[in-house]
Amino acid sequence: ETGVTQSPTHLIKTRGQQVTLRCSSQSGHNTVSWYQQALGQGPQFIFQYYREEENGRGNFPPRFSGLQFPNYSSELNVNALELDDSALYLCASSRRQGGEEKLFFGSGTQLSVL
Amino acid sequence: GQNIDQPTEMTATEGAIVQINCTYQTSGFNGLFWYQQHAGEAPTFLSYNVLDGLEEKGRFSSFLSRSKGYSYLLLKELQMKDSASYLCAVRDRRDSNYQLIWGAGTKLIIKP
Repeated sequence: ETGVTQSPTHLIKTRGQQVTLRCSSQSGHNTVSWYQQALGQGPQFIFQYYREEENGRGNFPPRFSGLQFPNYSSELNVNALELDDSALYLCASSRRQGGEEKLFFGSGTQLSVL
Repeated sequence: GQNIDQPTEMTATEGAIVQINCTYQTSGFNGLFWYQQHAGEAPTFLSYNVLDGLEEKGRFSSFLSRSKGYSYLLLKELQMKDSASYLCAVRDRRDSNYQLIWGAGTKLIIKP
């Protein structure tokens, strides 16, 4: 049990729609990062938030956006969904301290775009 | 550019030892992590290396050579529950920001 919860666990959308995924971080953690994981692949970094500001972004288009709230919960928004957006979306929280900054992952949201 | 390579799949026998290798190329290396991921579950932290050498944690050990861009995860006394994917991830520093670059994972199959 990592203390990181994601909702929903599964979601089915159609191409062109918009989706919001949610994440509640572990208590005391001030950093949250989001990843996209296709079947049989490693996670791909989408972006990271530290104290409510985005401070790192991977190679994802602007239609992937996010928010981090004062209570360190977070959202991932994806607009204009495409079929290739079908994947497992993982949220991970951590406490920024340098060195061994462990990520604690939620169980993920499995998104299917039809 | 950034690149992380690890074998796609490995098979080993219960009770044996297995070594999973990872090679990487990044511009701002700031540590290497190993995570374990069982099918359908989230990754869980196994180890962290930032200096050269071997870090041992029970049955699992991880080694790093920064000059060679190389790491390995060593699993001893293999158990059936060790069947999982093992992900190598490098923390890359760009300006004042960090991001984790992940390998595709090595699927480890343990046979009785």
